[in-house]
Amino acid sequence: EDQVTQSPEALRLQEGESSSLNCSYTVSGLRGLFWYRQDPGKGPEFLFTLYSAGEEKEKERLKATLTKKESFLHITAPKPEDSATYLCAVQAYSGAGSYQLTFGKGTKLSVIP
Amino acid sequence: ETGVTQSPTHLIKTRGQQVTLRCSSQSGHNTVSWYQQALGQGPQFIFQYYREEENGRGNFPPRFSGLQFPNYSSELNVNALELDDSALYLCASSLGTVGYEQYFGPGTRLTVT
Repeated sequence: EDQVTQSPEALRLQEGESSSLNCSYTVSGLRGLFWYRQDPGKGPEFLFTLYSAGEEKEKERLKATLTKKESFLHITAPKPEDSATYLCAVQAYSGAGSYQLTFGKGTKLSVIP
Repeated sequence: ETGVTQSPTHLIKTRGQQVTLRCSSQSGHNTVSWYQQALGQGPQFIFQYYREEENGRGNFPPRFSGLQFPNYSSELNVNALELDDSALYLCASSLGTVGYEQYFGPGTRLTVT
């Protein structure tokens, strides 16, 4: 069974204090690893897609990296507006010709001014 | 370009009733996926529709059913509602079924009493 585990569950940072969120996964035949940001009561907002080990993507203060077993979301000099829950999801073959997206439980990030 | 929209925003139903949720996909997207998100959890895959055909189903009972229309909009129907069905229901659209990022709507908050 495909599994996605995110750590830590919650993270409090001072504004400007850089850190990393982890997403470890066990799937067969990864077809993509996706990072999303979700604000309370809203739908997830797409951030990055990573397809193969060694790949990196950047956007503003966020940088996502991928190895064969895990992905990291690095946050550099975060601001209070970066506070949100960050979700990781993997897409892999789930049988009968379909590919399912499996999400982790997320990391709730709070950035204190 | 219009994003993914969902209706209604909120609704309250009684146990045993039936409910229909609606989703309009982003322009040009032919694939729609539905997810259930309980409080504090990541989204759980219900099923996916590709060009009006079901293309994969998660671990949900048959009382969860769906449709996709020729314009690629979609419906999620839930019969015989149970208290545990209370959740945020998310719809996501994508350009295809494998390796494409999914763009989420704002969700429908369903409360079953």
